[in-house]
Amino acid sequence: QVQLQESGPGLVKASETLSLTCTVSGGSISSYYWSWIRQPPGKGLEWIGYIYYSGSTNHNPSLKSRVTISVDTSKNQFSLKLNSVTAADTAVYYCAAMDHAEHFQYWGQGTLVTVSS
Amino acid sequence: QSVLTQPPSVSGAPGQRVTISCTGSSSNIGAGYDVHWYQQLPGTAPKLLIYGNNNRPSGVPDRFSGSKSGTSASLAISGLQAEDEADYYCQSYDSSLSGSRVFGGGTKLTVL
Repeated sequence: QVQLQESGPGLVKASETLSLTCTVSGGSISSYYWSWIRQPPGKGLEWIGYIYYSGSTNHNPSLKSRVTISVDTSKNQFSLKLNSVTAADTAVYYCAAMDHAEHFQYWGQGTLVTVSS
Repeated sequence: QSVLTQPPSVSGAPGQRVTISCTGSSSNIGAGYDVHWYQQLPGTAPKLLIYGNNNRPSGVPDRFSGSKSGTSASLAISGLQAEDEADYYCQSYDSSLSGSRVFGGGTKLTVL
């Protein structure tokens, strides 16, 4: 059973960079597409992007220019950086494992990141 | 505005059957891409409920079923229980958005 745990600051200042890390346990880092998904308070889910263990990535076109996703296979971790944040980036950020069949099979518990002015 | 359209809310009494629709287009569901469904209980992370249009992960009751036809998909919940009250999201792949994985806007199910 794959388990994921997000970590990182819960408060980020506007115009700065949001940085989160997801630690993977109970599964192989090479088995899934490691993804980030966010959910603004009271709203729906938005896919941010994913990285494969090989380093290949894909991002939501609406966020692409601000998003960097990286992986550290030696630590079983992958990370998200979102730069130039605004209040609109305030959300619960989830890391998730996307199966090769394109569904998000495992999810972290989520972490709330608030962008302050 | 979500790429996949769901009704904002549905409701039903215990024991009844409800369906939640997910309407897409020719670049996602209509192109043959699979639809997946997630259940999000209040204050928790989403949980995979249905994958590949109509497959249930281990542990998901057979009261939950999925179907797909044309540019739409549906989630059906039979024998409604109070514990089914949650938000439900559909998800697919969209070929017109640079390989985006897309979600529906979500549907709040209320058990009366």
